Amino acid sequence: DIQMTQSPSTLSASVGDRVTITCRASQSLSGYLAWYQQKPGKAPKLLIYKASSLNSGVPSRFSGSESGTEFTLTINSLQPDDFATYYCQQYNSYSPYTFGQGTKLEIK
Amino acid sequence: EVRLVESGGGLVQTGGSLRLSCSASGFTFNNYGMNWVRQAPGKGLEWISYISGSTVTIYYADSVKGRFTISRDKGEASVFLQMNTLRAEDTAVYYCAREPLAGPTAYAFDIWGQGTMVTVSS
Repeated sequence: DIQMTQSPSTLSASVGDRVTITCRASQSLSGYLAWYQQKPGKAPKLLIYKASSLNSGVPSRFSGSESGTEFTLTINSLQPDDFATYYCQQYNSYSPYTFGQGTKLEIK
Repeated sequence: EVRLVESGGGLVQTGGSLRLSCSASGFTFNNYGMNWVRQAPGKGLEWISYISGSTVTIYYADSVKGRFTISRDKGEASVFLQMNTLRAEDTAVYYCAREPLAGPTAYAFDIWGQGTMVTVSS
């Protein structure tokens, strides 16, 4: 199985801050890494696919990057609507399709 | 409007069975793979099963293999999850999620349902 290690588990930040969330994969994903946003009581929403491609309708303050087996989600100029939990997911292999443990982004 | 709506959740005793449904609308159902993902209370996301558009390819997570069965009905544009021999640790919100088989978002989960809660209790 491909293991995904996501950090930090909790992140406190203020409106206007720039934050970074990281996921490390146990093996190469060939870029097949997605980021999802989930708000309490709601379904996850696809933000980023193929490591760095922004899904339709997602604000441009969200971005993703890849360096080997390390993947990063960056949110520039945090908005009140961005406080949520974020998950990475590898979809390179149904070995299974694993999610990271999640990062809860809280208001400082 | 592209939409997925789950149903069939509820309270069931340990060892019991339940069948979840996910009704799709607003897109060509057969052109997409479909997944079930669950989330235990206060926990993260766990992928549990996939079925291809043609139904030829099916995968399960080890945690549900041999107990859960995924299927789909082209005419009803629905995907199902038959859950047998339920355990307390199966308690979760169950989401269905669409997986494009082509295009830029191929293989990511681009549309999710609202989820249905399954509670397994003795």
